[in-house]
Amino acid sequence: DTEVTQTPKHLVMGMTNKKSLKCEQHMGHRAMYWYKQKAKKPPELMFVYSYEKLSINESVPSRFSPECPNSSLLNLHLHALQPEDSALYLCASSQDRGSYSPLHFGNGTRLTVT
Amino acid sequence: QQQVKQSPQSLIVQKGGISIINCAYENTAFDYFPWYQQFPGKGPALLIAIRPDVSEKKEGRFTISFNKSAKQFSLHIMDSQPGDSATYFCAAYRSNAGGTSYGKLTFGQGTILTVHP
Repeated sequence: DTEVTQTPKHLVMGMTNKKSLKCEQHMGHRAMYWYKQKAKKPPELMFVYSYEKLSINESVPSRFSPECPNSSLLNLHLHALQPEDSALYLCASSQDRGSYSPLHFGNGTRLTVT
Repeated sequence: QQQVKQSPQSLIVQKGGISIINCAYENTAFDYFPWYQQFPGKGPALLIAIRPDVSEKKEGRFTISFNKSAKQFSLHIMDSQPGDSATYFCAAYRSNAGGTSYGKLTFGQGTILTVHP
């Protein structure tokens, strides 16, 4: 089992819904990440939090809104999504943003936008 | 400058054979090169990683070979098993501050490995 826990595992939402994805890690890591992965493609970086501050936003549309309430939790708030946003959303953590520590990924939330 | 090119896209190997996946990078600021293994329905998991100050690293059946001058690195899976069937991603990372690639993992496009029994 992964040490990065993501909930829910599956989510189906309409284009007018508001939902949130949650991620939790208890490894004491200070960097947390959101990635988006389409089928048969590599993960694409969306956001990076370092010491609970947003340090990288990869020009992600504003319908995706990240939040880092504390060092163990990371949320991704979703609003007015499009069908093309359907994908596997992966959370990851590492000891620090600029270290050699590897990224630990969760198993993702499979999102379907109808 | 940010690309990592991975080949082949797919690979079929018989049980007991050697699986070889190759990657090439452009940005010389990259200083950490991990390989991730991903099974269907799961997140990527770190398999093995190397820094450019060594030319080879071996962990069990998995070996990374690194050629700094050619900016290439490869994953060798010895005695491949059906349980190794998964998607493999090479990646590159810049650990020191500065530049737009700092702290960002750049992935190759992935290789789907199938090991037949």
